Formats: sequence, C-alpha cells, structure tokens
Amino acid sequence: DGGITQSPKYLFRKEGQNVTLSCEQNLNHDAMYWYRQDPGQGLRLIYYSQIVNDFQKGDIAEGYSVSREKKESFPLTVTSAQKNPTAFYLCASGLIATGELFFGEGSRLTVL
Amino acid sequence: GEDVEQSLFLSVREGDSSVINCTYTDSSSTYLYWYKQEPGAGLQLLTYIFSNMDMKQDQRLTVLLNKKDKHLSLRIADTQTGDSAIYFCAESRGSQGNLIFGKGTKLSVKP
Repeated sequence: DGGITQSPKYLFRKEGQNVTLSCEQNLNHDAMYWYRQDPGQGLRLIYYSQIVNDFQKGDIAEGYSVSREKKESFPLTVTSAQKNPTAFYLCASGLIATGELFFGEGSRLTVL
Repeated sequence: GEDVEQSLFLSVREGDSSVINCTYTDSSSTYLYWYKQEPGAGLQLLTYIFSNMDMKQDQRLTVLLNKKDKHLSLRIADTQTGDSAIYFCAESRGSQGNLIFGKGTKLSVKP
C-alpha cells in the first residue's frame, strides 16, 4: 500500500542525547516536510525538502538537522541543542503543484 | 496579523450541522485546505478549495470561501460522533507553496 511511515511512534530520550526520527514514503512525492506539534500551538514547520540532496529551514529549525539522500527518505535528528524537544513530530510528503500533504502517524518524543 | 486563525473549540449534538470558521492572511494563496486529526494520529486531508472558487461540496462537507474577507468555513452536515477530532485550516503561502496551519478547532460531538 502507498503511504508515509514514521518510526518510532514513541521515543524517550535523556537530556543531552541526539535522536533520529525516521520518515519514509512510497508515494513518489518530490516534497517532504517535518512539522512539530505542541498543545495549543498548531503545526510549526521545522524543515522541508523539495528535491533530493536539497532542503530548507522552516520556522523553527534551530536544534534540528535533516538529510535527503533518497527521494523516499527524510530523517530528522533532534540534537542536544534543541532546548525543549518534547513534542509530537509529524512528517509529510506532498505535491508541490497543489500543496496537498499526506501525513505520517507521528512520533511522540519525550525527554526525561 | 500573520496567523491563520480559528476558534479552538466547538461542541455540537449528534445529527446537527457543524460549522468551523477560519480567517487566513495571504490573499494570493492559491489553495486553502481543511485537515482532520484524530487523537494520537497524523493529519488527514479532508478537502481543499482553489482560490477562484466560492464553494465546494463533497458529500457531507461544504467549504465556503469569501476572498474579500479572507474567510474560509467548513460545514459538516449530520455530524456524527466519529467526526469528533481537531480540524485544521491551512493556506499555501509563498512561491514554494508551504502550508501555514491554524491552531486547530477541536470538535466535540455529543450523543
């Protein structure tokens, strides 16, 4: 089945550790996105990529890093520089022409 | 302002119609969207409307667009308990078409 898969669904991290969230899509979409969701804050864009080997910062990129080595994959690393990393992270892929996005099920990161 | 704005909560009775409202900011947005999020899950695209349209209907969903007032609404007819979720309005903004989301409206449907 076509879709977008995020893993892990739940993740716990100690302060000072980096953690990488996986996002894979088989929809053949050029564009991929990472959003952060906090209660009452809506979705905020972290990074996006519209083509392999290229990506751009979103509104809240500090403390995060990404790579786009393959069209299907867009992993997000939450680094120790991110001061408040506990959140729900959503990956999406989409059609640039219409802006229509398809979301994964999300990864919930908790820092202990 | 620069934000996409929505009221945070809406409560209706099963069988009634629900109307969720949104104001957006960029008059040049090409598409406007409604997404639905169930608890602990990702967002699901419900519908979208092209900016040169006033209305779009899809089964129980009706989207109305008032470009002059930059106002978008989503009407759900015959609301069911399964419609309980958070509904996000979004606009495409800028040359790269990135989506700007509102903070979401939590719809509660009472039996």
